[in-house]
Parts: sequence; structure tokens; C-alpha cells
Amino acid sequence: QSVLTQPPSVSGAPGQRVTISCTGSSSNIGAGYDVHWYQQLPGTAPKLLIYGNSNRPSGVPDRFSGSKSGTSASLAITGLQAEDEADYYCQSYDSSLSGLYVFGTGTKVTVL
Amino acid sequence: QVQLVQSGAEVKKPGASVKVSCKASGYTFTSYGISWVRQAPGQGLEWMGWISAYNGNTNYAQKLQGRVTMTTDTSTSTAYMELRSLRSDDTAVYYCARVRGVGWFDPWGQGTLVTVSS
Repeated sequence: QSVLTQPPSVSGAPGQRVTISCTGSSSNIGAGYDVHWYQQLPGTAPKLLIYGNSNRPSGVPDRFSGSKSGTSASLAITGLQAEDEADYYCQSYDSSLSGLYVFGTGTKVTVL
Repeated sequence: QVQLVQSGAEVKKPGASVKVSCKASGYTFTSYGISWVRQAPGQGLEWMGWISAYNGNTNYAQKLQGRVTMTTDTSTSTAYMELRSLRSDDTAVYYCARVRGVGWFDPWGQGTLVTVSS
């Protein structure tokens, strides 16, 4: 099954900037399909954070931003806060035979 | 507000089947698709499949083909996911999510824990 590759963990002190990469292939991100990001707080369902590469749903702080280039995408969190400690997943459409959609491997963000 | 409410936790024996429901409210059910995603304990998210609530068309993840069936009941705005021939590695939290635009998931249901154990 196709997957999008993310670093297992990133960490930063409060107020710092952290970035999470999401690397795909020619059947998903590299084919031009949009990337979306989700935040999953401990013990809860995932929540949409960024859609269409760089758009924030209503209610999502502008500390969160997304970008995409080539076969990769990135999520940046500026002004890191304790409440940002969570798991983050990227997601995209995939044109391979394994299925329609694919998720990233997930990144745990730790606030030091 | 837009909401997806799932059925409660299930405990099943290996070889059995499970059917999880996902009741939608706050929007026109037939205007969007529903995807199912599962998460094994301590693991990441795995996309399982998609169903159009408009016409019932489906697309399943290759690894689950033949064991999973997704359906909808438009009269009650409810989506269902049935998984057969359960194995211990099917133990997971199962989520439904509304599919928007070209394919982002929002919102998500609260999740249903399915435990497969003898």
C-alpha cells in the first residue's frame, strides 16, 4: 500500500517554529494532487487542520500553515504552544491500484 | 452543526463479522461521500474505502477487497461498514469521515473500537 513518509517525531520549545515534511511519489503528491493535514490529540479523532495544500478551515489558528512542492509537502507550526502537542498526519489522493486515498506515517510533535 | 455519530464498541471472535454505523446530521447526506479509516493501537491512520452517498458507488483499499462492504441508508442518513473474517490484526478504532472537495476528510466521527479476541 502506498504511503506518504513523515518523520516519526519533531520537538520544539514553546514559541519556536517546527516543520513536518510529507514525502510522496509520482502517483500522489507528485501527480499534482492536493495535500491535506490533520491533527490528532491524544484519545480523540483526527481533526482537519489544512486542506488543499495551504488553506485553513475556520477556527484553525494562523500559526499553522501548509505548502507543497514537487513530490513533497510541509506543515509549519510557528509560535509553538503546549496545546499543539499531538500527532499530525498528511493525506492525499493516490492514483495507484491500491486505493483512492493515502495517509502519511504520522509525526508526533512534542513541546519541550 | 455537521456531525457524524458512530455506534458503540464491539468485541468479536476471530472469523466473525462486525458492522459499524455512522449517522450523519447537519448537512444533505447525499451530497457527499463517506470514507472509513482505521487506526490500530499505537499505529497510524489507514484508509479503508469510500462510498458515494449519492449513488452507492464504492472504492475499497486493495488489501481489504473481498472482506469489506460499505453501504448507506439515505432514509436515515446513515453509513455502514461491514468487515468479515475478522483477525486479531483488525483490532482498531474505526472512523467514518465526510469527504469534501477533491478529497479531504471533515468532519470525523468519534470512532468505534473493535476488538478481535478469542
